[in-house]
Order: sequence, then C-alpha cells, then structure tokens
Amino acid sequence: EPEVTQTPSHQVTQMGQEVILRCVPISNHLYFYWYRQILGQKVEFLVSFYNNEISEKSEIFDDQFSVERPDGSNFTLKIRSTKLEDSAMYFCARSEAFFGQGTRLTVV
Amino acid sequence: GQQVMQIPQYQHVQEGEDFTTYCNSSTTLSNIQWYKQRPGGHPVFLIQLVKSGEVKKQKRLTFQFGEAKKNSSLHITATQTTDVGTYFCAVRRSNDYKLSFGAGTTVTVRA
Repeated sequence: EPEVTQTPSHQVTQMGQEVILRCVPISNHLYFYWYRQILGQKVEFLVSFYNNEISEKSEIFDDQFSVERPDGSNFTLKIRSTKLEDSAMYFCARSEAFFGQGTRLTVV
Repeated sequence: GQQVMQIPQYQHVQEGEDFTTYCNSSTTLSNIQWYKQRPGGHPVFLIQLVKSGEVKKQKRLTFQFGEAKKNSSLHITATQTTDVGTYFCAVRRSNDYKLSFGAGTTVTVRA
C-alpha cells in the first residue's frame, strides 16, 4: 500500500506566524490522523478526520489548529498563530500501521 | 483516555545480550500495538496483539500479551546495533481508532 507522504520535511517559522503542514498525495482513504511528538517525548494524538469531518480531537487541538482536505487528496494541518511550544514533529497517519515521515516544525 | 506505562525508560544493552521492555495498564485492553522509532525517524508499526495470552515472533523479537490483557512485553534476543531506537507500545479503544502511546523505551547498544 502507498505510504503517507508529508511536506515539508522541515519548517522553520517565526512565533505568531501561520503554518500549513501537508499529507500528499492521498486518495481513497477516509480515516486520517495527526499526531505530535515534542523532542524526546512520546507521540501524542491531535485529531482524527473521517470522511471530511473531524471525528475526534484531543485537548491539545485547540482553536489555533484546524484540519482540512481542500481538494480530496491533500490533507492539511494548519496552525494559525504558532507558539514556541508548538515546536515538534508532526506526523500524519492514515491508519495505525502507516505513519508519514513527519514534518519537523521549529518555531523561533 | 487509556494510559499505558512503559518500563524501563532507558535500556543500555551490550551487543549480543537480550532485553525486555514492558507495557502495563490498569484497565483491560482490547488490543495493543508496538512501534519502533529510530532516532530522527517516524514510528514504524511492528505488530498488533489482540488475544489474551497471545505470543507473536518476528525473528529476534517476541511480543506477548498478558492473560488478563493488562500488560504486554517485547523481548529482543541477541541485540544488534540495528535494534537501536525507541520502542513504543500503543493502545486503541475499541470504539475508535486513535492511538494512545506509552512513553517508550529508548534502547542503546554498546558493541
């Protein structure tokens, strides 16, 4: 089965800026997940997305986060106003067995 | 959400030796997954255990699910340098698909 592809692999952004992280290309899959891993810590669930709607979200996934599937293939995670503590690896997964390579987000 | 405790947090192993990492829950689990994450990498799915007392083997890796389905273990025999990384257990509630990860056991190997 095709692997999940994430872009960019590394994103550096200034505090307060918006960032968009992408899973590409994906088709014919209904269930997706975003996870976050702060350096040296465990993987934490952010949000699950089913059939173009959020099905579940964690307490981490506050109002500054949003997810979209804008064109039926790309699956995006947007952080509206980044904070220093948002610095982490962000993983997209289409099931428990298939994690993307991740995007390392560094907020400066 | 469901929480799992993993021990030890760190495991420093002599090449060729065996070691075991454990995952424990206070509640009965419907299933458990194990992942390996190399330094700088992403979680890679290793296996899923579902049945009480289940034992599965992958070459030098042996995975076990406790009889009460509250604990699990990963045993690696004859450790190699390629075994370096962090091993996570993760659990999923029966009514949804999100994973709750343990804190992981980080393994280093001395040659």
